[in-house]
Amino acid sequence: TQLLEQSPQFLSIQEGENLTVYCNSSSVFSSLQWYRQEPGEGPVLLVTVVTGGEVKKLKRLTFQFGDARKDSSLHITAAQPGDTGLYLCAGILNTGTASKLTFGTGTRLQVTL
Amino acid sequence: NAGVMQNPRHLVRRRGQEARLRCSPMKGHSHVYWYRQLPEEGLKFMVYLQKENIIDESGMPKERFSAEFPKEGPSILRIQQVVRGDSAAYFCASSPGVPKNIQYFGAGTRLSVL
Repeated sequence: TQLLEQSPQFLSIQEGENLTVYCNSSSVFSSLQWYRQEPGEGPVLLVTVVTGGEVKKLKRLTFQFGDARKDSSLHITAAQPGDTGLYLCAGILNTGTASKLTFGTGTRLQVTL
Repeated sequence: NAGVMQNPRHLVRRRGQEARLRCSPMKGHSHVYWYRQLPEEGLKFMVYLQKENIIDESGMPKERFSAEFPKEGPSILRIQQVVRGDSAAYFCASSPGVPKNIQYFGAGTRLSVL
């Protein structure tokens, strides 16, 4: 059973388009992190959200944590080829503990010219 | 401030050999996590260690796999008598612990078992 489901699994768009990636669960997370991973490298942290309803912006990327802390979304505005990569959401279930990350299934994004 | 360092980056072993993967956490981080990424799959948690202690090993296979994080030196993930199914990318992450339990990842060790 996959605790965190991401959709879509694959996304191929042209430069300049907007896109949204979803991360859904039936479990409540104390915090959720988004990472981007490029081939042959480790995941690189993009953002951490901890409060239900929280919205964080990072240049053209907007992250939202659901009110119930069960889901999250990543919106990219005016995508660029440099945004290409594997996007992973990862949540921590236990509040107040240094606990393991549960990763989503991943969304592979390709942005073409 | 150096990031999480893993070595080797690539490791080739024949079936039955031992694999030792090393991870040096970021300076000031005392929490280390190991994750495994099989081809075309997501990252799966294996083990969580804090200096000299295993805190959570719920993701570790019951046999052949072990991990340690000694008082001095890097964390080691050890796989004995490797099999082809152990071929994967193994990632280490470190964290300063609560309250900001943010995990930073190394570049990984890619293990290939022939």
